[in-house]
Amino acid sequence: QVQLEESGGGVVQPGRSLRLSCAASGFSFSSYGMHWVRQAPGKGLEWVAVISYDGKNKYYGDSVKGRFTISRDTSTNTVFLQMDSLRVEDTAVYFCAKDRLWEYFDSWGQGTLVTVSS
Amino acid sequence: QSALTQPPSASGSPGQSVTISCTGTSSDFAKYNYVSWYQHHPRKAPKLMIYEVNERPSGVPDRFSGFKSGNTASLTVSGLQADDEADYYCCSYVGNNKWVFGGGTKLTVL
Repeated sequence: QVQLEESGGGVVQPGRSLRLSCAASGFSFSSYGMHWVRQAPGKGLEWVAVISYDGKNKYYGDSVKGRFTISRDTSTNTVFLQMDSLRVEDTAVYFCAKDRLWEYFDSWGQGTLVTVSS
Repeated sequence: QSALTQPPSASGSPGQSVTISCTGTSSDFAKYNYVSWYQHHPRKAPKLMIYEVNERPSGVPDRFSGFKSGNTASLTVSGLQADDEADYYCCSYVGNNKWVFGGGTKLTVL
């Protein structure tokens, strides 16, 4: 079955960078788009970014555009989220999710916690 | 894009039905029938419950149903069970390669 496992979270100071990874298995990774979604403490879900199945198209939420970069590696079935110029308000659990039809997210990982604090 | 509006909480007794609303303010929400709903138990992976307004993925019981009219979508959980207690989020594709979520509704089974 589909498995998505995020890693790379931790505590980082404001202005610094962090790279998250999401290892995918159980499906044809190169055939599906992939998303990152986050949840700040006590808050709801927020869509962060998406990358198309072939890696050619990438789109971002307004709050992270210009600071975060999504990428993928089909040789390792991994999707990444490079987070630069981190802010306190980026503190959240970050989930990766498998895209379906560019409409919805049909499988999710359990998330990795990123804490931005001085 | 503004977040979709959901009530912060909902509740019902076992066996009862409860409906959670999800209201959008933009014309894009009304235009696209790409509303999905997710169940989220804390510290677990969110789970897709409804897609394309009223379609259920394989394995999701038919106690869960969705509806949309104009700018408002809804999720109805019938025959409430203890394990239904969770946070529920609506989400919609709103065009221009963007997705927007609701603020979430905490469902309590009394």
